Amino acid sequence: DVKVTQSSRYLVKRTGEKVFLECVQDMDHENMFWYRQDPGLGLRLIYFSYDVKMKEKGDIPEGYSVSREKKERFSLILESASTNQTSMYLCASSAPLHFGNGTRLTVT
Amino acid sequence: KNEVEQSPQNLTAQEGEFITINCSYSVGISALHWLQQHPGGGIVSLFMLSSGKKKHGRLIATINIQEKHSSLHITASHPRDSAVYICAVIRDFGNEKLTFGTGTRLTIIP
Repeated sequence: DVKVTQSSRYLVKRTGEKVFLECVQDMDHENMFWYRQDPGLGLRLIYFSYDVKMKEKGDIPEGYSVSREKKERFSLILESASTNQTSMYLCASSAPLHFGNGTRLTVT
Repeated sequence: KNEVEQSPQNLTAQEGEFITINCSYSVGISALHWLQQHPGGGIVSLFMLSSGKKKHGRLIATINIQEKHSSLHITASHPRDSAVYICAVIRDFGNEKLTFGTGTRLTIIP
């Protein structure tokens, strides 16, 4: 069974902390994505990567960075977490499209 | 105005009813996904469409590229169909970036 695995389901961090969200896929997909999902706003693209070491900004990249050193792993980094980054974070890979189960991050 | 609009936002129906969820978009697309999200967060792609109609079990998805409109139908609805259904479009074939509607919350009452 194909899988996109996110390292944590729930995470609580303090304002100002550096936060790493990890995503691993076992399907040899070229494309990987990080989205955040907020009530009333739906899903929005933060960053995506179409190859190792390649990345492009999505619609809301401010406050985030990413790393893709290996094809199977795509990391989202919050350099200095803020309360407005409290959200559900979803990783996806394609094609075909598969999502991870999400990480609910709370920044206090 | 959102580039992808869904209706209705919320839908409650009795078990067995025929369900229709609509999606309209205002941009050129290469394909469209219908996604299902159950409580707890995980999202599954039900269909990817670039033209015509697809069917899987009790689920049917249609798309009209000229009218920029897609529908998801559920026949003989069941409580396990209760979920959020999300329409998402791919604007540029090849990079698979998605633009999402805000979703339709479907509740099926036994």
